[in-house]
Amino acid sequence: AQRVTQPEKLLSVFKGAPVELKCNYSYSGSPELFWYVQYSRQRLQLLLRHISRESIKGFTADLNKGETSFHLKKPFAQEEDSAMYYCALRNSGYSTLTFGKGTMLLVSP
Amino acid sequence: NAGVTQTPKFRVLKTGQSMTLLCAQDMNHEYMYWYRQDPGMGLRLIHYSVGEGTTAKGEVPDGYNVSRLKKQNFLLGLESAAPSQTSVYFCASRTDRGNQPQHFGDGTRLSIL
Repeated sequence: AQRVTQPEKLLSVFKGAPVELKCNYSYSGSPELFWYVQYSRQRLQLLLRHISRESIKGFTADLNKGETSFHLKKPFAQEEDSAMYYCALRNSGYSTLTFGKGTMLLVSP
Repeated sequence: NAGVTQTPKFRVLKTGQSMTLLCAQDMNHEYMYWYRQDPGMGLRLIHYSVGEGTTAKGEVPDGYNVSRLKKQNFLLGLESAAPSQTSVYFCASRTDRGNQPQHFGDGTRLSIL
């Protein structure tokens, strides 16, 4: 069965500190993974996806098939990065997504 | 281009009442989805649709019905609301072409008393 695990409910760091939001997945096929961000009481927005290998707002994520991970990283956290972050796995078939339970990132000044 | 629009934004219901949440998208997307978001549970898929006139069950479909009579609209119905359905409901849509992401609406905050 497909599964996405985000082990941390809350991650609290100081401004300027490095950030790593963990995501592990379970999937038998070739995975497609995404990170979505939700700022306070707003809609979910796509942050990045592994097939694009892009960097958005200073965040990067590398797919590690050996460790079945897709951790989100940023070298220097900013206060405006405070938000809920969801890792998501595209399921086979009709492109539904399986979401992790989310990690709240709090960046303090 | 409004994207994905959900109405209403907020609603309070009494147990046993019925209501319909409307999702409209103006991007000509084939796929549409309804999720619920609960603290500590992330987003869970309720129902989805791969085209006009088609619907399918997601992870947590019980207590909900959906309809996709028009391509641009996806309706979520609660026939007899229960307190356990208190949640924030998000609609999303996606094109069926390529590896494109889902686009989300602003959400509907629903409280069942």
